[in-house]
Amino acid sequence: QSALTQPASVSGSPGQSITISCTGTSSDVGGFNYVSWYQQHPGKAPQLVIYEVINRPSGVSHRFSGSKSGNTASLTISGLQAEDEADYYCNSYTTINTWVFGGGTKLTVL
Amino acid sequence: QVQLVQSGSELKNPGASVKISCKTSGYTFTTYGINWVRQAPGQGPEWMGWINTNTGKSTYAQGFTGRFVFSFDTSVNTAYVQISSLKAEDTAVYYCVRGVSWKFDSWGQGTLVTVSS
Repeated sequence: QSALTQPASVSGSPGQSITISCTGTSSDVGGFNYVSWYQQHPGKAPQLVIYEVINRPSGVSHRFSGSKSGNTASLTISGLQAEDEADYYCNSYTTINTWVFGGGTKLTVL
Repeated sequence: QVQLVQSGSELKNPGASVKISCKTSGYTFTTYGINWVRQAPGQGPEWMGWINTNTGKSTYAQGFTGRFVFSFDTSVNTAYVQISSLKAEDTAVYYCVRGVSWKFDSWGQGTLVTVSS
């Protein structure tokens, strides 16, 4: 199972919005609504920010939102803040009952 | 609150074995499975597989069969992964992760395993 495809980096200024894409296939992203997004700060464990494509866990800012179209899922962060600077990873369930992660996107807040 | 606390960093020689523990608290251990995720230096996470803490059945991802064994002890609410015949490319941070309804909702702090002579 190949890793899901994410842009290596994105950047934005405070207050702006950014979107990170996550492209898979019909065997993973396109086949299920079981796409999650994780935020990872340096030296820390990943933390869930979006699950089942569009849902936010309790305690996660409303500035984080998710969507999906076909084989591509997206994470949007609005009203960028300095604390949002981190690596972001998508994750999807697959048709062979496994999980696959994306390669990760480094978000820089300018 | 839910906590997963892992054992400390390990430095091992090539060919040795290592066993990482993941002690859980704040929930009923047998209700949710434990996943294991590897993250090599500078790389994204990689799902290794999971163990059903109710039935004991393990599922291993491609590339994590043979040298990797998941286990648990319900008496101490702790999951384990043992890695044998360690190679340099096994150098990574290993995470245990609780799986709840199609998401990985709680992560351990990670255990760094360094394989070097």
